[in-house]
Amino acid sequence: DTGVSQNPRHKITKRGQNVTFRCDPISEHNRLYWYRQTLGQGPEFLTYFQNEAQLEKSRLLSDRFSAERPKGSFSTLEIQRTEQGDSAMYLCASSLARGFQEQFFGPGTRLTVL
Amino acid sequence: AQSVAQPEDQVNVAEGNPLTVKCTYSVSGNPYLFWYVQYPNRGLQFLLKYITGDNLVKGSYGFEAEFNKSQTSFHLKKPSALVSDSALYFCAVRANTDKLIFGTGTRLQVFP
Repeated sequence: DTGVSQNPRHKITKRGQNVTFRCDPISEHNRLYWYRQTLGQGPEFLTYFQNEAQLEKSRLLSDRFSAERPKGSFSTLEIQRTEQGDSAMYLCASSLARGFQEQFFGPGTRLTVL
Repeated sequence: AQSVAQPEDQVNVAEGNPLTVKCTYSVSGNPYLFWYVQYPNRGLQFLLKYITGDNLVKGSYGFEAEFNKSQTSFHLKKPSALVSDSALYFCAVRANTDKLIFGTGTRLQVFP
C-alpha cells in the first residue's frame, strides 16, 4: 500500500503524559500536513511542512505541541503534558507542492486522554 | 477569512434516487474547492475538486459537483444513490496558504 500511513492507530494515555505520533507520507510528496478532528466537527488545520521546513502553524498548536519532519520524509507530532481536551483524531495528509493538488489523508491516530 | 458552511447535518435519500449535499463558501480571491468522503474508522478520501474552468466537475464513484459563483455554492451531486454511498461528506476550501478549511460535515444515509 503506497498511501499515507500513521502510527499508532489508537493511543490511550493518562493526563499529563507525553505522546508522539508518526506519519509516513506518500513517497514522492514533499508537503505534509497535520489536522485534528473532534467528534461532530470537520478536520482543523494544525501545521504543515514543505520538505523539512515547517511553513505554517495554527494558533491551535499550543506550546505543548511540536511537530518535526527532520529529513523531509516522515513526520512526528508530539504532545507534552496531555490534557483531556487533547482527545481527538489526529490526521496526517500529504500532497505534491505544484499547482492546486489534492491532499491525501492517512487513517488517523485516535488519542484518548483519561 | 475563508470559510465553508454545510447547512445540513444529515441527508437521507432512497437508493436509486438523486442526491445533493450542499456546501457554500466564503473566500477572498479565487475559490479552490474540494469534496472529501469519510467512512467509519478510515481517513478522508478525495472525491473531486474545482480549481478553474467548467462549472460541473466530475469525480470519483460517479459523484459530481456544481460550482456556482453567484451563489457561492459547490454542491455535491450524484444521479443515482447507492447504499454504499452512506458516509460522512466534507466540503473544503483551500486557504490563501496551502491548508484546507473544512465544513462541519454532512452525514449521508442512503436507504434500500
